[in-house]
Amino acid sequence: DGGITQSPKYLFRKEGQNVTLSCEQNLNHDAMYWYRQDPGQGLRLIYYSQIVNDFQKGDIAEGYSVSREKKESFPLTVTSAQKNPTAFYLCASSIYATEKNIQYFGAGTRLSVL
Amino acid sequence: AQTVTQSQPEMSVQEAETVTLSCTYDTSESDYYLFWYKQPPSRQMILVIRQEAYKQQNATENRFSVNFQKAAKSFSLKISDSQLGDAAMYFCAYRSADGLTFGKGTHLIIQP
Repeated sequence: DGGITQSPKYLFRKEGQNVTLSCEQNLNHDAMYWYRQDPGQGLRLIYYSQIVNDFQKGDIAEGYSVSREKKESFPLTVTSAQKNPTAFYLCASSIYATEKNIQYFGAGTRLSVL
Repeated sequence: AQTVTQSQPEMSVQEAETVTLSCTYDTSESDYYLFWYKQPPSRQMILVIRQEAYKQQNATENRFSVNFQKAAKSFSLKISDSQLGDAAMYFCAYRSADGLTFGKGTHLIIQP
């Protein structure tokens, strides 16, 4: 089935540790996105990528890094510089990065700090 | 930068009744897209409905419809014949080329 797969579903980070969240899509979409959701809040954009080997910072990129080496994959690394990483992380994709294209979401990863 | 405001943190409706969720936004663009997403307890974001700003006609998807008032920058969602499965968080979102800007959401409770 076509879709967006995020893994793991739950992730725990120790102090000072970098962790990587996986996002894979088989929809042949050009654009991919990472959002963060905190309790009682909407989603906020961390990073997005319009094409392979290109990505841009969103509203809250500090303490995060991404790569886009393959069209299907857009991993997010939460670095030790992110002091408050506990949140629900959602990956999304769309055919192209234009306003009219619908974004489809994965099931999310919940990150907690030990 | 665009902003999206949902002024109702929580709404409650009796099963089979109609409920309207409010959303306002701010933008300097003339052409844009607006969305309503549903997030059930599973946390999966599900697209409910989409509205293109240059279209006068309000979008409709089965029991879901919008009231789009471009001049007032208002984009409300009406759910008719509410069902227990409609219980979820509902997010209004503005789409730009960068991505989506979301409101803080409205928690919809369906009373049986």
